[in-house]
Amino acid sequence: DAGVIQSPRHEVTEMGQEVTLRCKPISGHNSLFWYRQTMMRGLELLIYFNNNVPIDDSGMPEDRFSAKMPNASFSTLKIQPSEPRDSAVYFCASSPGQTRGEQFFGPGTRLTVL
Amino acid sequence: QQQVKQSPQSLIVQKGGISIINCAYENTAFDYFPWYQQFPGKGPALLIAIRPDVSEKKEGRFTISFNKSAKQFSLHIMDSQPGDSATYFCAARGSGANNLFFGTGTRLTVIP
Repeated sequence: DAGVIQSPRHEVTEMGQEVTLRCKPISGHNSLFWYRQTMMRGLELLIYFNNNVPIDDSGMPEDRFSAKMPNASFSTLKIQPSEPRDSAVYFCASSPGQTRGEQFFGPGTRLTVL
Repeated sequence: QQQVKQSPQSLIVQKGGISIINCAYENTAFDYFPWYQQFPGKGPALLIAIRPDVSEKKEGRFTISFNKSAKQFSLHIMDSQPGDSATYFCAARGSGANNLFFGTGTRLTVIP
């Protein structure tokens, strides 16, 4: 089992550019979560999907952030336009479903916006 | 507002000692309380979890103590080892929900 796969692992971009982060959840998992981790704010849930449907996006900071899950094996988190304060590590996690709370995290994408 | 409050922010323990990390919550609808361990450059990974129908769960050197009336739970690491040095997050999940609310994390350093 390859676990949750995220790409890219590192991204450096300039302010104003569009950034797209990608995630492949564990096969068979029904739920997918996007988190952002910073020293100041810790681990924040941005959005999560059940069966490819967005359930709660209240953690998405602002309209510059958007997330999609076109199918059960792929999700994207897009930031457009990016700002320096978006610099963080972004994690994707998946879980088998509601009856089991365990979330399996990917290795994260470290985003630096200059 | 932080749904789960975690302390301390950082902790230094001698090898062989006991590490204790505490968490508190307010929402009585929470029914699942996991602890995650995160090493530098890695994503968090589930360490141990407990449900509120028991007061303690032990897995090897790791124990969760749960106090339902006080709405508090803690992680105890017995015989702490340098390899335990990591950031630990407590979390909670509401009944019928799928999302976790994480604490702010505790950076544990175990010195030889």
